[in-house]
Amino acid sequence: QVQLVQSGAEVKKPGASVKVSCKASGYSLRSYDINWVRQATGQGLEWMGWMDPDTGNAGYAQKFQGRVTMTRHASISTVYMELSSLRSEDTAVYYCARLNAPRTAGEGSGFDYWGQGTLVTVAS
Amino acid sequence: DIVMTQSPDSLAVSLGERATINCKSSQSVLYSSRNKNYVAWYQQKPGQPPKLLISWASTRESGVPDRVSGSGSGTDFTLTISSLQAEDVAVYYCQQYYSTPTFGQGTKVEIK
Repeated sequence: QVQLVQSGAEVKKPGASVKVSCKASGYSLRSYDINWVRQATGQGLEWMGWMDPDTGNAGYAQKFQGRVTMTRHASISTVYMELSSLRSEDTAVYYCARLNAPRTAGEGSGFDYWGQGTLVTVAS
Repeated sequence: DIVMTQSPDSLAVSLGERATINCKSSQSVLYSSRNKNYVAWYQQKPGQPPKLLISWASTRESGVPDRVSGSGSGTDFTLTISSLQAEDVAVYYCQQYYSTPTFGQGTKVEIK
């Protein structure tokens, strides 16, 4: 069955960087875009960006441009999201989520599988 | 960015009664040439990631009970739970993917 398993919780100091991993199983990572969404405690969902694990192409929300980098290690079915220059407002649960259509099948229409979430806490 | 505004922020509904959540986009998310509305709905329970319920504004995902339905077009969309069950208690989010994805602020559904 399709699963996305994320790395564990992180505690970082302001100004540091964090790198969260998302390992896919049960399907071919290369075939579906992966998106990253974050959620501060008690708050709503915020889309951060997407990447095509096949080509490595990525697109980021304007808010995170210059601070976020999405990469992949296709041979181990893992994608990564790195966020730099962390501040307290970046404290949140970070999710990876799969777009629900493979690139060969046309447009996706939502995020059908999600990782369990990774809590990133930024505190001095 | 397209802003998605949900209403109400929360609602309490008796078991077996109808729950209706509205979502309004700041601009049309209807791709006319394809006749598709680029809206999805998610359910999120505490401590869990969101679950995709509805895509293309009205297409129910596999396994989603038929008491859950989506409707609307253009800028106005609705998620309806026709007969609320205890397991429907959750926060519901709309999302547009017509352009850079954005989510509504969420609507908390509780039992009255």
